[in-house]
Amino acid sequence: AQSVTQLGSHVSVSEGALVLLRCNYSSSVPPYLFWYVQYPNQGLQLLLKYTTGATLVKGINGFEAEFKKSETSFHLTKPSAHMSDAAEYFCAVSGFTGGGNKLTFGTGTQLKVEL
Amino acid sequence: DSGVTQTPKHLITATGQRVTLRCSPRSGDLSVYWYQQSLDQGLQFLIQYYNGEERAKGNILERFSAQQFPDLHSELNLSSLELGDSALYFCASSIGAGPGTGELFFGEGSRLTVL
Repeated sequence: AQSVTQLGSHVSVSEGALVLLRCNYSSSVPPYLFWYVQYPNQGLQLLLKYTTGATLVKGINGFEAEFKKSETSFHLTKPSAHMSDAAEYFCAVSGFTGGGNKLTFGTGTQLKVEL
Repeated sequence: DSGVTQTPKHLITATGQRVTLRCSPRSGDLSVYWYQQSLDQGLQFLIQYYNGEERAKGNILERFSAQQFPDLHSELNLSSLELGDSALYFCASSIGAGPGTGELFFGEGSRLTVL
């Protein structure tokens, strides 16, 4: 079974400050890890993904995440927050199980960006 | 615009009724996924189809069923509706069947309200 735990359901930062959203995973097989963003009244959009290879993954809108196997973590960061980053962010995990793709999401972190 | 089309966008119905949600995947995508998003359960994976065949199953109730048609569109049927079925239902699509074969593209969802 696979799961992800997102620490902090709400995170608030000032515009221009570092954004750090935490995600820890549990997986019995080598994991594929993802961060998705959901803006109000919209579907989810992929920010970045880790499959294999380089552990530091760069995504859209200046976000990046680092896969740390020893810590079972995949935290999302952005050096400088912008007002447009306010949204809900979901960490997700998947792995090869039975020929399908059961992408399991965390409970989400609502990011608020203040002036 | 993700290219995934869901209809209807909003649906209000009564307990005990049956509804059908429809999804057209992105052009070229063979996999279709259904997710349920609610405040208390978060994002729950329901089911995945790949080229007409069921590939992965999640927490889908027996009152719910889905299928993928030869033209690759999919329908999620919800029957004997209960108040707790009120949620946002997302459809997503991807090129392949497995977790490493491409990102999931999400539609904007169908909001179901059961009164």
